[in-house]
Amino acid sequence: GAGVSQSPSNKVTEKGKDVELRCDPISGHTALYWYRQRLGQGLEFLIYFQGNSAPDKSGLPSDRFSAERTGESVSTLTIQRTQQEDSAVYLCASSLKAGGADTQYFGPGTRLTVL
Amino acid sequence: LAKTTQPISMDSYEGQEVNITCSHNNIATNDYITWYQQFPSQGPRFIIQGYKTKVTNEVASLFIPADRKSSTLSLPRVSLSDTAVYYCLVGDDRDSGAGSYQLTFGKGTKLSVIP
Repeated sequence: GAGVSQSPSNKVTEKGKDVELRCDPISGHTALYWYRQRLGQGLEFLIYFQGNSAPDKSGLPSDRFSAERTGESVSTLTIQRTQQEDSAVYLCASSLKAGGADTQYFGPGTRLTVL
Repeated sequence: LAKTTQPISMDSYEGQEVNITCSHNNIATNDYITWYQQFPSQGPRFIIQGYKTKVTNEVASLFIPADRKSSTLSLPRVSLSDTAVYYCLVGDDRDSGAGSYQLTFGKGTKLSVIP
């Protein structure tokens, strides 16, 4: 079946603009995760959704970052008033259920460049 | 949060066995240990997972000592295609329902396989 998809694959924006990144998880996966990966760095956990429960947003780096998920489907990560430090690859993953014990399936990522 | 520590990089010749160790001194009782592999410009993919003792699958083995404060990923007879970054992830399997959840990836170990 289809894997996790993300769009756009690349996004170039000017400092101060808002951007919206989209993630389509694997159908039937109740958990969805967002990560940030700066060039040459590891994965930085941002936020996770589990079903209809309220997400834990404590991993988001600032109040310019927000994320939403409709039920157990599409999620969007929004970055307002982008800064150059936001340049990174944003990875989305989904898993059948919540928990670090469950295999996460990652999308190809969205490469964000803030000029 | 159980933080993880891994070597930054490792080199190996083709055909050798490679062992990558991850330290997670503050691992909690409910935490599982999962290893992911990441190729350039791709999202990570699952390799193996364990809770204690030894786990083996078709691509790797995972050794976890009794105190669970570390784990070792073993790749038998590596080939050039095993050149990648390997991440150690520690997380629990609780479905909190409240959305309170965090994941900690290590910074990853860059494995370079030499012909």
